[in-house]
Amino acid sequence: ELKVEQNPLFLSMQEGKNYTIYCNYSTTSDRLYWYRQDPGKSLESLFVLLSNGAVKQEGRLMASLDTKARLSTLHITAAVHDLSATYFCAALNAGGTSYGKLTFGQGTILTVHP
Amino acid sequence: GAVVSQHPSWVICKSGTSVKIECRSLDFQATTMFWYRQFPKQSLMLMATSNEGSKATYEQGVEKDKFLINHASLTLSTLTVTSAHPEDSSFYICSAKLGLWAQPQHFGDGTRLSIL
Repeated sequence: ELKVEQNPLFLSMQEGKNYTIYCNYSTTSDRLYWYRQDPGKSLESLFVLLSNGAVKQEGRLMASLDTKARLSTLHITAAVHDLSATYFCAALNAGGTSYGKLTFGQGTILTVHP
Repeated sequence: GAVVSQHPSWVICKSGTSVKIECRSLDFQATTMFWYRQFPKQSLMLMATSNEGSKATYEQGVEKDKFLINHASLTLSTLTVTSAHPEDSSFYICSAKLGLWAQPQHFGDGTRLSIL
C-alpha cells in the first residue's frame, strides 16, 4: 500500500526566507504531484513530476523528484505572503487495488509573515 | 481546458435529509471520476472511484448505501449523501480524468456540506 508522508506539517516563515517541504512515498510511483489549497477552496495543480531527476520551477516554487530515494521536495525561495496556503503532495499508485488512484500526503500549512 | 464544475458549492440542511452533489467535466469526456472528503485541517481522503456506466468502487470504511454515486454519462457524476447527519459535514471534492492511468485528475471547486 502506497503511503505518502510530508514534513513539516506546519511551517511559519518570514518573508524573504527560503525553505523546503519534503514528501516521502513508500512504494514505486512514476508520477508525483504538488497542489496548493487556499482556505475554503479546492486544489490548484502546481507541478507534476514524471521521472527521476525531474525539476520544475514556477516563480518562487521549485519542485524536484528523486525516484530512487522516493522523495520529492518543494523549495520556496524568498517567500512572500501570497504563498501562504496548504501544500499537498500526491503520488500516483502504480499497481494493486489502488492502481491509478492518488495517495495524498498530510499537507503542509505554510504561513508567511512579515 | 480540463474544467470540472461542482455544484452546489455550499449547502446547509437539516439532519435526516438527503443531499445530491453534481460533478461535471465541461470540456472533456471523463471516463473516471473520483470523490474525496476533506475534514478541516486534514488531507483529502478518497471515498470512491466511479467509471462511466459501471458501479462505483468504494474505499474501505465508506458506506456505499450512505454515499450513493452515479456516473451515468461521460460528463456527469453525482454523489448523494443519504439521511445526512452532522458527522457527514465536510468538504467534498470531485475530480475527473480520462480513463488512461497516466492522465492527470482535474479537481472541482468542492462542496461544503453542513448538516444541522
